[in-house]
Amino acid sequence: GQQLNQSPQSMFIQEGEDVSMNCTSSSIFNTWLWYKQEPGEGPVLLIALYKAGELTSNGRLTAQFGITRKDSFLNISASIPSDVGIYFCAGQLTDSNYQLIWGAGTKLIIKP
Amino acid sequence: GAVVSQHPSRVICKSGTSVKIECRSLDFQATTMFWYRQFPKQSLMLMATSNEGSKATYEQGVEKDKFLINHASLTLSTLTVTSAHPEDSSFYICSASGGRTDTQYFGPGTRLTVL
Repeated sequence: GQQLNQSPQSMFIQEGEDVSMNCTSSSIFNTWLWYKQEPGEGPVLLIALYKAGELTSNGRLTAQFGITRKDSFLNISASIPSDVGIYFCAGQLTDSNYQLIWGAGTKLIIKP
Repeated sequence: GAVVSQHPSRVICKSGTSVKIECRSLDFQATTMFWYRQFPKQSLMLMATSNEGSKATYEQGVEKDKFLINHASLTLSTLTVTSAHPEDSSFYICSASGGRTDTQYFGPGTRLTVL
C-alpha cells in the first residue's frame, strides 16, 4: 500500500547529540503525526501537526509541517537514553475515515 | 487523556482455536476504531476500520470471515481471530479516534502466538 518516505532508516548516535528525521510524500496531507514505538508496545503520539508551516514543540522534540503539506521533520535535541525506539511519521487522510499512511520508521539507538 | 487499553497483552493458543482481543477507549468516546497488524521490523499494516454500530471496512487482502470485528459501543471494539493458524501469529494493535481532531491513539498491542 501507499507509504511515506521516511529517513534515515536508523540512527546510531552519542547521548547528548541532536537528532533529525524527516518524511516526504507525493501526496498532500492535512495532518501529520509523529509517533514513537518501543519494543512490544503500541505507538505513542508525540506531536500532531494540523496546519501547513506549523512548528510545534513537545519538550525536547520539535516537529514541523511542511509548507507544501507533503513533508514533515522531527528534531530531538540533547538525546538521552530513554529516547531509544522507533519513530514513525504518519500522514492522515481526510477521507476514508481518517486513515493513516505510515512511514517505514526510524530506529534510534543511543550510545551512552 | 486519550488512553486506549487492549486485552490480553499476550496470548498463546493452539492451532484451530479462536482468540478474542478487546480494545477499549478509557476516557473518550471512540467513533472510529482501527485494527492493525505489525510484523517484526515493519510499520503498522491496517487491517480494518470500524465505526460504532456499523460493519467494519476491511483492507484488501484481509479475510473478514477470519478476522471478525465488532464495534458494539463507543468505547469497545473486539477482534476475533477465528480458527487461528501459526501464520496468524503477530502483534495486533488497535487505535481509537474521536472528537474534533480525529487523532488516532493506540493501544499497547497484543502479541498472539499460535502453536
